[in-house]
Amino acid sequence: QVQLVESGGGVVHPGMSLRLSCVASGFTFSSHAMHWVRQSPGQGLDWVSYIYYDGKNIYYTDSVKGRFTISRDNSNSTLFLQMNSLRVEDTAIYYCVRDRRYCLNGVCQGRGWYFDLWGRGTLVTVTS
Amino acid sequence: DIVLTQSPATLSLSPGERATLSCRASQSVNIYLAWYQQKPGQAPRLLIYDASNRAPGIPARFSGSGSGTDFTLTISSLEPEDFAVYYCQQRDNWPALSFGGGTKVEIK
Repeated sequence: QVQLVESGGGVVHPGMSLRLSCVASGFTFSSHAMHWVRQSPGQGLDWVSYIYYDGKNIYYTDSVKGRFTISRDNSNSTLFLQMNSLRVEDTAIYYCVRDRRYCLNGVCQGRGWYFDLWGRGTLVTVTS
Repeated sequence: DIVLTQSPATLSLSPGERATLSCRASQSVNIYLAWYQQKPGQAPRLLIYDASNRAPGIPARFSGSGSGTDFTLTISSLEPEDFAVYYCQQRDNWPALSFGGGTKVEIK
Protein backbone atom coordinates (compact mmCIF):
# COMPACT_ATOMS: atom_id res chain seq x y z
CA GLN A 1 0.00 0.00 0.00
CA VAL A 2 1.35 3.39 -1.03
CA GLN A 3 1.42 5.52 2.10
CA LEU A 4 3.24 7.93 4.35
CA VAL A 5 2.94 7.61 8.12
CA GLU A 6 4.08 10.43 10.39
CA SER A 7 4.91 10.26 14.07
CA GLY A 8 6.61 12.31 16.74
CA GLY A 9 4.13 15.08 17.36
CA GLY A 10 3.11 16.15 20.82
CA VAL A 11 2.62 18.98 23.28
CA VAL A 12 5.69 21.01 24.22
CA HIS A 13 6.55 24.38 25.74
CA PRO A 14 8.10 27.24 23.77
CA GLY A 15 11.82 26.76 23.27
CA MET A 16 11.64 22.98 23.37
CA SER A 17 12.40 20.51 20.58
CA LEU A 18 10.62 17.73 18.73
CA ARG A 19 11.68 15.31 16.03
CA LEU A 20 9.10 14.22 13.49
CA SER A 21 9.47 11.04 11.47
CA CYS A 22 7.69 9.82 8.36
CA VAL A 23 7.93 6.27 7.11
CA ALA A 24 7.15 5.68 3.46
CA SER A 25 5.94 2.42 1.97
CA GLY A 26 4.64 1.09 -1.33
CA PHE A 27 6.86 3.21 -3.58
CA THR A 28 10.53 3.94 -4.23
CA PHE A 29 11.18 6.54 -1.54
CA SER A 30 14.70 7.27 -2.79
CA SER A 31 13.36 8.42 -6.16
CA HIS A 32 11.26 11.31 -4.86
CA ALA A 33 11.99 14.64 -3.27
CA MET A 34 10.00 15.06 -0.08
CA HIS A 35 8.42 17.95 1.79
CA TRP A 36 6.92 18.91 5.09
CA VAL A 37 3.76 21.01 4.88
CA ARG A 38 1.89 22.28 7.93
CA GLN A 39 -1.62 23.44 8.66
CA SER A 40 -2.49 25.48 11.74
CA PRO A 41 -5.78 24.46 13.39
CA GLY A 42 -8.66 25.57 11.21
CA GLN A 43 -6.33 27.41 8.85
CA GLY A 44 -4.78 27.00 5.43
CA LEU A 45 -1.68 25.20 4.23
CA ASP A 46 1.93 26.35 4.59
CA TRP A 47 4.95 24.72 2.99
CA VAL A 48 7.77 24.19 5.53
CA SER A 49 10.71 22.35 3.97
CA TYR A 50 12.00 20.34 1.01
CA ILE A 51 14.73 17.77 0.52
CA TYR A 52 15.89 16.44 -2.83
CA TYR A 53 15.75 12.69 -3.47
CA ASP A 54 19.45 12.32 -2.70
CA GLY A 55 19.45 14.82 0.16
CA LYS A 56 21.79 17.22 -1.64
CA ASN A 57 19.38 20.15 -1.99
CA ILE A 58 17.40 21.45 0.94
CA TYR A 59 15.09 24.45 1.34
CA TYR A 60 13.12 26.00 4.19
CA THR A 61 10.46 28.61 4.54
CA ASP A 62 11.91 31.75 6.13
CA SER A 63 10.09 31.39 9.45
CA VAL A 64 11.81 28.09 10.30
CA LYS A 65 15.30 28.72 8.93
CA GLY A 66 17.93 28.10 11.59
CA ARG A 67 15.45 26.24 13.82
CA PHE A 68 14.25 23.28 11.74
CA THR A 69 16.37 20.65 9.97
CA ILE A 70 15.04 18.26 7.36
CA SER A 71 16.83 15.00 6.62
CA ARG A 72 16.16 11.60 5.14
CA ASP A 73 17.33 7.99 5.40
CA ASN A 74 16.73 6.38 2.05
CA SER A 75 17.84 2.96 3.27
CA ASN A 76 14.92 2.97 5.71
CA SER A 77 12.50 5.04 3.60
CA THR A 78 12.21 7.61 6.35
CA LEU A 79 11.93 11.40 6.35
CA PHE A 80 12.70 13.50 9.42
CA LEU A 81 12.10 17.00 10.67
CA GLN A 82 14.12 18.15 13.67
CA MET A 83 12.35 21.14 15.20
CA ASN A 84 14.26 23.21 17.73
CA SER A 85 13.40 26.44 19.54
CA LEU A 86 9.73 25.83 18.96
CA ARG A 87 7.33 28.77 19.07
CA VAL A 88 3.62 29.01 19.74
CA GLU A 89 3.12 29.88 16.08
CA ASP A 90 4.62 26.51 15.05
CA THR A 91 1.48 24.81 16.39
CA ALA A 92 0.02 22.86 13.49
CA ILE A 93 -0.60 19.51 11.90
CA TYR A 94 2.60 18.57 10.09
CA TYR A 95 2.16 16.57 6.90
CA CYS A 96 4.83 14.50 5.23
CA VAL A 97 4.34 14.95 1.50
CA ARG A 98 5.78 13.37 -1.61
CA ASP A 99 6.94 15.50 -4.52
CA ARG A 100 5.34 14.54 -7.80
CA ARG A 101 8.68 14.52 -9.67
CA TYR A 102 10.28 11.09 -9.98
CA CYS A 103 14.02 10.49 -10.51
CA LEU A 104 15.66 7.19 -11.42
CA ASN A 105 19.32 6.73 -12.33
CA GLY A 106 19.69 10.49 -12.70
CA VAL A 107 16.77 10.82 -15.12
CA CYS A 108 13.80 12.75 -13.77
CA GLN A 109 10.21 12.82 -14.98
CA GLY A 110 7.39 15.18 -14.21
CA ARG A 111 7.39 18.66 -12.78
CA GLY A 112 8.30 19.02 -9.14
CA TRP A 113 6.98 21.12 -6.29
CA TYR A 114 3.54 19.60 -6.61
CA PHE A 115 2.38 17.31 -3.82
CA ASP A 116 0.91 14.02 -4.97
CA LEU A 117 0.91 11.89 -1.81
CA TRP A 118 0.19 13.08 1.72
CA GLY A 119 0.42 11.40 5.10
CA ARG A 120 -2.36 11.74 7.67
CA GLY A 121 -0.29 14.24 9.63
CA THR A 122 1.01 14.56 13.18
CA LEU A 123 -0.11 17.33 15.52
CA VAL A 124 2.47 19.59 17.13
CA THR A 125 1.18 21.84 19.90
CA VAL A 126 3.45 24.49 21.39
CA THR A 127 1.90 26.09 24.44
CA SER A 128 3.09 27.89 27.52
CA ASP B 1 6.19 36.59 -2.60
CA ILE B 2 3.31 35.53 -4.80
CA VAL B 3 -0.08 35.81 -3.12
CA LEU B 4 -2.91 33.56 -4.25
CA THR B 5 -6.43 34.84 -3.62
CA GLN B 6 -9.28 32.35 -3.85
CA SER B 7 -12.90 33.27 -4.35
CA PRO B 8 -15.49 32.90 -3.17
CA ALA B 9 -14.57 31.93 0.37
CA THR B 10 -17.68 29.75 0.54
CA LEU B 11 -19.78 28.32 -2.27
CA SER B 12 -23.21 26.94 -1.37
CA LEU B 13 -24.53 24.55 -4.00
CA SER B 14 -26.70 21.48 -4.37
CA PRO B 15 -25.62 18.06 -5.64
CA GLY B 16 -25.72 17.98 -9.42
CA GLU B 17 -24.93 21.68 -9.78
CA ARG B 18 -21.82 23.10 -11.41
CA ALA B 19 -19.12 24.59 -9.18
CA THR B 20 -16.73 27.27 -10.40
CA LEU B 21 -13.83 28.20 -8.11
CA SER B 22 -11.39 31.00 -8.79
CA CYS B 23 -7.73 31.48 -7.90
CA ARG B 24 -5.97 34.73 -8.72
CA ALA B 25 -2.21 35.25 -8.43
CA SER B 26 -0.57 38.56 -7.54
CA GLN B 27 1.81 38.03 -10.46
CA SER B 28 2.08 35.57 -13.29
CA VAL B 29 2.70 31.95 -12.38
CA ASN B 30 2.56 30.75 -15.99
CA ILE B 31 0.71 27.43 -15.88
CA TYR B 32 2.38 26.29 -12.69
CA LEU B 33 -0.68 25.98 -10.53
CA ALA B 34 -2.27 23.03 -8.74
CA TRP B 35 -5.58 22.38 -7.04
CA TYR B 36 -6.11 20.23 -3.94
CA GLN B 37 -9.22 18.94 -2.21
CA GLN B 38 -9.36 18.55 1.56
CA LYS B 39 -12.18 16.87 3.46
CA PRO B 40 -12.64 17.30 7.22
CA GLY B 41 -10.09 15.33 9.21
CA GLN B 42 -8.22 14.27 6.08
CA ALA B 43 -5.06 15.31 4.32
CA PRO B 44 -5.30 17.24 1.06
CA ARG B 45 -5.45 15.36 -2.25
CA LEU B 46 -3.93 16.54 -5.51
CA LEU B 47 -6.61 17.09 -8.15
CA ILE B 48 -5.02 19.19 -10.89
CA TYR B 49 -1.44 20.19 -11.72
CA ASP B 50 0.00 22.50 -14.37
CA ALA B 51 -3.34 24.32 -14.36
CA SER B 52 -5.27 21.74 -16.38
CA ASN B 53 -3.84 18.25 -15.96
CA ARG B 54 -5.85 15.86 -13.84
CA ALA B 55 -3.87 13.77 -11.37
CA PRO B 56 -4.20 9.98 -11.67
CA GLY B 57 -7.52 8.67 -10.45
CA ILE B 58 -9.28 12.04 -10.43
CA PRO B 59 -12.75 11.92 -11.99
CA ALA B 60 -13.35 13.73 -15.27
CA ARG B 61 -15.93 16.03 -13.65
CA PHE B 62 -12.97 17.98 -12.23
CA SER B 63 -11.29 20.30 -14.70
CA GLY B 64 -8.85 23.17 -14.44
CA SER B 65 -8.13 26.09 -16.72
CA GLY B 66 -6.23 29.33 -16.87
CA SER B 67 -2.72 30.71 -17.14
CA GLY B 68 -0.79 33.73 -15.97
CA THR B 69 -2.74 35.18 -13.05
CA ASP B 70 -6.28 33.79 -13.38
CA PHE B 71 -7.23 30.18 -12.84
CA THR B 72 -10.46 28.23 -12.48
CA LEU B 73 -11.37 24.86 -11.04
CA THR B 74 -14.67 23.56 -12.34
CA ILE B 75 -16.66 20.64 -10.98
CA SER B 76 -19.17 19.91 -13.71
CA SER B 77 -21.79 18.17 -11.57
CA LEU B 78 -21.30 18.01 -7.82
CA GLU B 79 -21.35 14.61 -6.19
CA PRO B 80 -22.00 14.28 -2.43
CA GLU B 81 -18.32 13.45 -1.84
CA ASP B 82 -17.17 16.69 -3.52
CA PHE B 83 -18.26 18.94 -0.66
CA ALA B 84 -14.94 19.94 0.83
CA VAL B 85 -12.36 22.73 0.94
CA TYR B 86 -10.32 23.40 -2.19
CA TYR B 87 -6.89 25.02 -2.24
CA CYS B 88 -4.80 26.32 -5.11
CA GLN B 89 -0.99 26.27 -4.97
CA GLN B 90 1.65 27.86 -7.19
CA ARG B 91 5.13 26.49 -7.78
CA ASP B 92 6.36 29.05 -10.31
CA ASN B 93 8.95 30.63 -8.04
CA TRP B 94 9.93 27.66 -5.92
CA PRO B 95 11.07 27.38 -3.20
CA ALA B 96 8.86 30.37 -2.42
CA LEU B 97 5.74 28.46 -3.30
CA SER B 98 2.40 29.45 -1.81
CA PHE B 99 -1.14 28.26 -1.24
CA GLY B 100 -4.40 30.14 -1.53
CA GLY B 101 -6.65 30.58 1.46
CA GLY B 102 -9.18 28.00 0.29
CA THR B 103 -12.77 27.84 -0.94
CA LYS B 104 -15.27 25.79 1.01
CA VAL B 105 -17.89 24.09 -1.14
CA GLU B 106 -20.86 23.37 1.11
CA ILE B 107 -24.23 21.79 0.61
CA LYS B 108 -26.99 24.30 0.07
